[in-house]
Amino acid sequence: DAKTTQPNSMESNEEEPVHLPCNHSTISGTDYIHWYRQLPSQGPEYVIHGLTSNVNNRMASLAIAEDRKSSTLILHRATLRDAAVYYCIPEPISNFGNEKLTFGTGTRLTIIP
Amino acid sequence: DVKVTQSSRYLVKRTGEKVFLECVQDMDHENMFWYRQDPGLGLRLIYFSYDVKMKEKGDIPEGYSVSREKKERFSLILESASTNQTSMYLCASSLGRYGTGGNGYTFGSGTRLTVV
Repeated sequence: DAKTTQPNSMESNEEEPVHLPCNHSTISGTDYIHWYRQLPSQGPEYVIHGLTSNVNNRMASLAIAEDRKSSTLILHRATLRDAAVYYCIPEPISNFGNEKLTFGTGTRLTIIP
Repeated sequence: DVKVTQSSRYLVKRTGEKVFLECVQDMDHENMFWYRQDPGLGLRLIYFSYDVKMKEKGDIPEGYSVSREKKERFSLILESASTNQTSMYLCASSLGRYGTGGNGYTFGSGTRLTVV
């Protein structure tokens, strides 16, 4: 399994963009990169996933380095509701649909009003 | 709105008791999972199931068992609860390979179990 490295914590100002990094230098060429977040007192929720090219959805954007050894989750305009722990999770494409996700300890994002 | 419902938000049990944690999903998902979450350790996978009556061990299955008799229900069983099983337990489900692919896991709100 690919190992990931994320900062333990980050802070950002409200209404500013936030870039959450993830290093996954041992990732396989056939691993999807998944991002989840966990709001206080809730279970994690899906944010976005991608393989090679950058991905966008209504919640965030995912920028994947060309060598795929790192990725960045981008929140374009942070709100107080984005304060959460963010998890970056590689998972083999062969498991698509039957992912068995391994959550690390993630990055705790604090939004400053 | 799609949901994963865990039967209890808070639970206090005595050492040695048999404990059942229930999880129900209403999304017709194939896959279901049980995790526990502890400070500093993140989420750890206990058991998962890709189909009715199927179960597979996760990373920390010791001291636990599971049951999946119906597609929508996945139960976690602590045969003889111990204090080191005090934790937050999270259930999740996902569409599965036979669906149209993924928007990932849907988690329940968790059960905070205290074993005294």
